[in-house]
Amino acid sequence: EAGVAQSPRYKIIEKRQSVAFWCNPISGHATLYWYQQILGQGPKLLIQFQNNGVVDDSQLPKDRFSAERLKGVDSTLKIQPAKLEDSAVYLCASSLGGASGAGETQYFGPGTRLLVL
Amino acid sequence: GQNIDQPTEMTATEGAIVQINCTYQTSGFNGLFWYQQHAGEAPTFLSYNVLDGLEEKGRFSSFLSRSKGYSYLLLKELQMKDSASYLCAGRLDFGAGTTVTVRA
Repeated sequence: EAGVAQSPRYKIIEKRQSVAFWCNPISGHATLYWYQQILGQGPKLLIQFQNNGVVDDSQLPKDRFSAERLKGVDSTLKIQPAKLEDSAVYLCASSLGGASGAGETQYFGPGTRLLVL
Repeated sequence: GQNIDQPTEMTATEGAIVQINCTYQTSGFNGLFWYQQHAGEAPTFLSYNVLDGLEEKGRFSSFLSRSKGYSYLLLKELQMKDSASYLCAGRLDFGAGTTVTVRA
């Protein structure tokens, strides 16, 4: 079974530029998550999708971050414009389903390492 | 939310046992996860506890006390490859991780 795929693996941009990340979850997984992990910290949830609907985006900085999962499978996360403090690893994860995600094991992709200069 | 606290780092010798403690706020509790994260890699699932007690999986065991808002991960017969960060996580909240260093 293929795991969660993410691209690109690495990205270096200058502040105020835009960047987009792509995620393909495990086949059949209804729930998809985007996390931001700053060096030395645990992952912080940015947004959770159930199929193509948003379940939780309370910690997403909506003035600069956006995410979509139009067909309920792949997802993209965009930052526009980027700031220095956005330098982090962006992790995508998926789980089988369940609206709240309670008690569900999440499977993580390899992450995208973003450096904003 | 579930503010999650765990020690920053621990060091142990190969073959020894290490216990990583985790405390959390109990509001909205929906079970507790432990994940392992090697440097530069994504977290991988280790265990999930929703009821009180000990869950054993080979060299790794996880314990939960819901009334105390407390969990621990027990790593036995430590191997060098166990050097990693161990993340305690609630529903969607992660602790900062405990970096375990295994020395020969």
